[in-house]
Amino acid sequence: GDSVTQMEGPVTLSEEAFLTINCTYTATGYPSLFWYVQYPGEGLQLLLKATKADDKGSNKGFEATYRKETTSFHLEKGSVQVSDSAVYFCALRVSNTGKLIFGQGTTLQVKP
Amino acid sequence: NAGVTQTPKFQVLKTGQSMTLQCAQDMNHEYMSWYRQDPGMGLRLIHYSVGAGITDQGEVPNGYNVSRSTTEDFPLRLLSAAPSQTSVYFCASSTGNSYNEQFFGPGTRLTVL
Repeated sequence: GDSVTQMEGPVTLSEEAFLTINCTYTATGYPSLFWYVQYPGEGLQLLLKATKADDKGSNKGFEATYRKETTSFHLEKGSVQVSDSAVYFCALRVSNTGKLIFGQGTTLQVKP
Repeated sequence: NAGVTQTPKFQVLKTGQSMTLQCAQDMNHEYMSWYRQDPGMGLRLIHYSVGAGITDQGEVPNGYNVSRSTTEDFPLRLLSAAPSQTSVYFCASSTGNSYNEQFFGPGTRLTVL
């Protein structure tokens, strides 16, 4: 079945460090891919998305490219800030049913 | 627009009690869903609906009931609460187009003693 696998956390970085959070997926058909972010005590917010192969989603300095050949959607940011500390979820939306399938989440902690 | 609203924010139940978690959206979205979030397990789909009068099971439906009588509302019912249902519950809505993201409510933190 369809699934999403994320790198395990927590990830601890110093401010201004480069961030990569790996995400790979298994899907039949052509899913849309999403990164959501959850700040402490809050619900999930969309961070970025890509709907077809080679699309790049970007927002707030974060980027991810839909790589069909490697079934990946890795999240990157060139210089993280303390305010980026949160849990990041990779997800795919199944094209025929509309269901959203999540990875297990990666906790990012950025230290000053 | 209020977006997706959920009530209550917190709830404590005793084993065997029943309750309904409320979810409403004001964006005229066809698609609504319920997830539970447990540590280290991401979000798991409980039930979803593609429109009024239509519901289907997700990954972890046991112990939960839903109905969708209007486009706006999608309540989640626990008929006989169990400690294994202690979790944070999120409701989400979206258009039916799979290119579009789902919008999430603020969550309900449920503890079953």
